[in-house]
Amino acid sequence: GAGVSQSPSNKVTEKGKDVELRCDPISGHTALYWYRQSLGQGLEFLIYFQGNSAPDKSGLPSDRFSAERTGGSVSTLTIQRTQQEDSAVYLCASSPGTSGSEQYFGPGTRLTVT
Amino acid sequence: GDSVTQMEGPVTLSEEAFLTINCTYTATGYPSLFWYVQYPGEGLQLLLKATKADDKGSNKGFEATYRKETTSFHLEKGSVQVSDSAVYFCALSALGTSYDKVIFGPGTSLSVIP
Repeated sequence: GAGVSQSPSNKVTEKGKDVELRCDPISGHTALYWYRQSLGQGLEFLIYFQGNSAPDKSGLPSDRFSAERTGGSVSTLTIQRTQQEDSAVYLCASSPGTSGSEQYFGPGTRLTVT
Repeated sequence: GDSVTQMEGPVTLSEEAFLTINCTYTATGYPSLFWYVQYPGEGLQLLLKATKADDKGSNKGFEATYRKETTSFHLEKGSVQVSDSAVYFCALSALGTSYDKVIFGPGTSLSVIP
């Protein structure tokens, strides 16, 4: 079946512009995660959605970052007034949401802020 | 709070050498434990997992045993190959909460040389 998809795969933007990154999780997965991976670094947790519960936004680095998940499926991560330090690979993952279940990762969106 | 600690990399081994990547965790309750792998230019994928104490996860010649007494989940392989060159992430799934949050370690880069 289809895996997690993300779009665009690459995005180059000018400093100060807003960007939107999209994630299509695996159908039926109730949990959705966003992470950021900078060059040579580990995974930085950004935000977590689970069903209809309030999202865990504890990882968002600033108020320029926001995310929403419509209809319990597709999610959009928005970065306003981008800065050069926002350059990274943004990864989305989904899971069935049951305890101990694995995460399925998308291929990521490589964001470059010039 | 819950956390995962991994040995610092990069790790460089010759082909057919024995591999150990240490992972220890801090968590309340009884988390599930995972190893994810990221091959060059690819997304993260699950390598193996264990959901309760003394369980052994195994896949592709890799093994890890969930040790509650030492709060560890060390990754081992008896004979590495060049194709095992990748970044390895230890992770835990926090239980006892209303949702299934996954916490990743910083990753350990492995290079296997012929």
